[in-house]
Amino acid sequence: AQSVTQLGSHVSVSEGALVLLRCNYSSSVPPYLFWYVQYPNQGLQLLLKYTSAATLVKGINGFEAEFKKSETSFHLTKPSAHMSDAAEYFCAVTVNSGNTPLVFGKGTRLSVIA
Amino acid sequence: KAGVTQTPRYLIKTRGQQVTLSCSPISGHRSVSWYQQTPGQGLQFLFEYFSETQRNKGNFPGRFSGRQFSNSRSEMNVSTLELGDSALYLCASSLEVGASYNEQFFGPGTRLTVL
Repeated sequence: AQSVTQLGSHVSVSEGALVLLRCNYSSSVPPYLFWYVQYPNQGLQLLLKYTSAATLVKGINGFEAEFKKSETSFHLTKPSAHMSDAAEYFCAVTVNSGNTPLVFGKGTRLSVIA
Repeated sequence: KAGVTQTPRYLIKTRGQQVTLSCSPISGHRSVSWYQQTPGQGLQFLFEYFSETQRNKGNFPGRFSGRQFSNSRSEMNVSTLELGDSALYLCASSLEVGASYNEQFFGPGTRLTVL
């Protein structure tokens, strides 16, 4: 079975500062990994995904994540935070079986301070 | 292309009642998954339907059920509502194109409050 741990339920950064949201996964088979963002009263929007191609994945809104198998990590970064980045971020894992459900982490709420 | 739509967006029920939530997937998408989101438990998988058949089921009691119609629209039903069923229920659809992972597109959710 797969699992995801997101370190830090709440992260606060200053506008213009580096954003780093941590995600560690557990999977007995090669995983597919995802980062989603959720704004208040909205559903989930896919930021980026790792599906066994390049280990450094670039997503929307300037976010990127690096798959590190040795560390079982898939941390999300953005060089410079913007006020509009304030939201809840979820890391999720699944495996290549075509119809295995997503398993989500508990989420990290990102606050951006002006 | 229109996104995943869920109706209603907000719902208030009392304990013991039942509720039905609806999800219309993106046109052409044949797989629909349902998730429950609560502050305590986070996002948890309920079930997935493909071609009108339940293909996967999460660890929820039998009070939670669902179905999918021939046009891929899906409904989920919760009977004998409990306070703990208060949650955001998210629906996601995906396009089945083979054995590899198919990206899931999420709807805005239905916020259910049980009083």
